[in-house]
Amino acid sequence: AQKVTQAQTEISVVEKEDVTLDCVYETRDTTYYLFWYKQPPSGELVFLIRRNSFDEQNEISGRYSWNFQKSTSSFNFTITASQVVDSAVYFCAFISNFGNEKLTFGTGTRLTIIP
Amino acid sequence: DAGVIQSPRHEVTEMGQEVTLRCKPISGHDYLFWYRQTMMRGLELLIYFNNNVPIDDSGMPEDRFSAKMPNASFSTLKIQPSEPRDSAVYFCASSREPGTVNTEAFFGQGTRLTVV
Repeated sequence: AQKVTQAQTEISVVEKEDVTLDCVYETRDTTYYLFWYKQPPSGELVFLIRRNSFDEQNEISGRYSWNFQKSTSSFNFTITASQVVDSAVYFCAFISNFGNEKLTFGTGTRLTIIP
Repeated sequence: DAGVIQSPRHEVTEMGQEVTLRCKPISGHDYLFWYRQTMMRGLELLIYFNNNVPIDDSGMPEDRFSAKMPNASFSTLKIQPSEPRDSAVYFCASSREPGTVNTEAFFGQGTRLTVV
């Protein structure tokens, strides 16, 4: 069975600091997809990134970067020079392509950026 | 595209009343998902549809919950009768084919349901 673990329940950092959100997943499948979603205080779930299991290249999008390492089954998310608008709950999610069409979500990490 | 559209955004109802939540998926998305989010249980998948057909409803908590998708652009989640423990945020999401290169699900803004 697939499982996604976000061990950090809450993180607080001062604005402009860098912060890394951890995500560890468990699966026996060899082909799968990983995701990060952001849930700001307004409540909607916003898709941030998708990464497939064959692509371990790190990705950078502005102040956001993602580090995918199959060797440690991790897909960590780093925000550089954090801003107050980054305050949200961040969810890591997983889906396999072997007949399982359900997204498995982690429990989320609540990130608070202190001005 | 307008994204996934849910209505209402907020619903307050009395215990025992019927509640209907509505969702319009993104055009062209073949998959539609209903999730429930609570503090205690996080995000739970209730049911999902492929091409308007319910595929897996194992997450539906009990017979009081039902979902339909009469066409590709509309789905409902109904709770009858509602109970206070049904209070939660209900999300609808849609995607192309999960587990493929176009697999990400896009979520609506959610319906915050309060049953008093």
